[in-house]
Amino acid sequence: LAKTTQPISMDSYEGQEVNITCSHNNIATNDYITWYQQFPSQGPRFIIQGYKTKVTNEVASLFIPADRKSSTLSLPRVSLSDTAVYYCLVGDMEDFGNEKLTFGTGTRLTIIP
Amino acid sequence: GAVVSQHPSRVICKSGTSVKIECRSLDFQATTMFWYRQFPKKSLMLMATSNEGSKATYEQGVEKDKFLINHASLTLSTLTVTSAHPEDSSFYICSARDWKTSGIQGEQYFGPGTRLTVT
Repeated sequence: LAKTTQPISMDSYEGQEVNITCSHNNIATNDYITWYQQFPSQGPRFIIQGYKTKVTNEVASLFIPADRKSSTLSLPRVSLSDTAVYYCLVGDMEDFGNEKLTFGTGTRLTIIP
Repeated sequence: GAVVSQHPSRVICKSGTSVKIECRSLDFQATTMFWYRQFPKKSLMLMATSNEGSKATYEQGVEKDKFLINHASLTLSTLTVTSAHPEDSSFYICSARDWKTSGIQGEQYFGPGTRLTVT
């Protein structure tokens, strides 16, 4: 599994767009990039996943440059309820024998009113 | 999406006693479940992979005789912390993958966690 590097923490004001970048220089050809969100005292929750270019769903967008050595999670117009820890995970998670997830340090996002 | 539950949500026990934590997949079958431990303001650390009908696979540094895992059915895995000590106090989280319905590669569903406090 590729090692990931994220900022430890970020602050943002309500209503702004927040971009969290994750570095994964050793990403392999079969690896996907997945982001999870975790609120205090809860289990993580899947946010978005991508392989290349851009992916968008109802809660976030994921931008992946051509070299795939980094990725950026974009949260549009954040609110106080977006305060959480965001984890970037990279790996080939399709193999039945390789399902386990390795969490890095994550980014603690704090939204300021 | 699929739901994973844990019981209890929080437990306080005395040092030296054993505590059992249950992880259930409510609307899907899971041949594999995962157990994580998370200390305050730290990331999740994988402890072991629970395999239905066979022995669990433990991560390096995790004592298998202290953290007993049983995966007796396709919807239930249990983690028993034996002879608990204060340093075992942590947030324990399980996860499972719904292979049949998940369209996302590797997406896992996490339980709400169990907060264990050993006094």
